[in-house]
Amino acid sequence: DQQVKQNSPSLSVQEGRISILNCDYTNSMFDYFLWYKKYPAEGPTFLISISSIKDKNEDGRFTVFLNKSAKHLSLHIVPSQPGDSAVYFCAAMGRGADGLTFGKGTHLIIQP
Amino acid sequence: NAGVTQTPKFRVLKTGQSMTLLCAQDMNHEYMYWYRQDPGMGLRLIHYSVGEGTTAKGEVPDGYNVSRLKKQNFLLGLESAAPSQTSVYFCASRQQGAGTEAFFGQGTRLTVV
Repeated sequence: DQQVKQNSPSLSVQEGRISILNCDYTNSMFDYFLWYKKYPAEGPTFLISISSIKDKNEDGRFTVFLNKSAKHLSLHIVPSQPGDSAVYFCAAMGRGADGLTFGKGTHLIIQP
Repeated sequence: NAGVTQTPKFRVLKTGQSMTLLCAQDMNHEYMYWYRQDPGMGLRLIHYSVGEGTTAKGEVPDGYNVSRLKKQNFLLGLESAAPSQTSVYFCASRQQGAGTEAFFGQGTRLTVV
């Protein structure tokens, strides 16, 4: 049973517009949520995170929103740039050391 | 800064052969992880370690063994490779503490024929 779900395998957005990537989770024990970006033939790189006690975290063009009651988070990228084309993974973890639980990823394509 | 380095980057094995994947990190991180990524499956945790000399099972541990003899190194072993272990393997490490982000290596693409 998937604990972290990214229901959109791909998303196409025009350059300069907003990209919104969505993620849902089922485990109420998750305390931290992270977004990773992955280019082909490279490892995932950390993008932004949010603690469960917050509902928003912003870092430059990237903002993550958390709706704890709906068990839903989203990543907003504004404005979208060609270099943002990549696979984005949503991940979650508890307070312990037992690793991240990942969604299946969303392939974001930024069109010129 | 090297960060997390995985060796080798590519490998082809025959069914039944054994091999060891090496992960090295230079950030003095306590926690280390091995994941596998399969098409359409995201990353799944194989084994992890919370410190030198410790290991624990993750979501998909069968067919793999690990060792953490030194804090900076985390080894993943396949004793008898199977075609189902064809995958891309990623090692990651992170600082001790709640909510710290994990840093990933560049991956090892393993094919078992």
